[in-house]
Amino acid sequence: AQRVTQPEKLLSVFKGAPVELKCNYSYSGSPELFWYVQYSRQRLQLLLRHISRESIKGFTADLNKGETSFHLKKPFAQEEDSAMYYCALSADRGSTLGRLYFGRGTQLTVWP
Amino acid sequence: DARVTQTPRDKVTEMGQEVTMRCQPILGHNTVFWYRQTMMQGLELLAYFRNRAPLDDSGMPKDRFSAEMPDATLATLKIQPSEPRDSAVYFCASGTGTGTNNEQFFGPGTRLTVL
Repeated sequence: AQRVTQPEKLLSVFKGAPVELKCNYSYSGSPELFWYVQYSRQRLQLLLRHISRESIKGFTADLNKGETSFHLKKPFAQEEDSAMYYCALSADRGSTLGRLYFGRGTQLTVWP
Repeated sequence: DARVTQTPRDKVTEMGQEVTMRCQPILGHNTVFWYRQTMMQGLELLAYFRNRAPLDDSGMPKDRFSAEMPDATLATLKIQPSEPRDSAVYFCASGTGTGTNNEQFFGPGTRLTVL
């Protein structure tokens, strides 16, 4: 069964410090992984997807199939990065095609 | 800039009342999702439609919740009767694709408070 785990519900760092939001997944197929971000009282929006291998707002994420992980990293956190971050997995087959499986989210707070 | 819209944005109601939330997906999107967001559970999938047909509503309490798509431009989520534990933010999302193109576009949410 598909499952996405974000072990940290809350994460706090100081401005300028590195930040890593952890995400592990369980899926028997070929996974497509995403990170979504939700700023305070706003809608969720796509931050990045693993297939594009791009850096958005200084964030990167590498898919590690051996460790079944897709951790989100930024070398120098900024106060405006404070938000809720969701890791999500896309199923590639069957009736669940098109569905995203979300982790429970990690609330990141960046202190000045 | 096409966006998913939801109404109402905020709803306060009393226990036992019927609540109807509406969503207009982005034109041309063939998948629609209803999620519930709470502090305790995070983001939970309630129901999921493709080409207006319900695919999965296993996340929804069947006795009180119902989700429909009367047409391609409207999705509804109803709660009858509502209970205080239903208080949450309800998001609608729509998308077109699968796999690598499986981006879901979220609406602003309906913040429901049941007293």
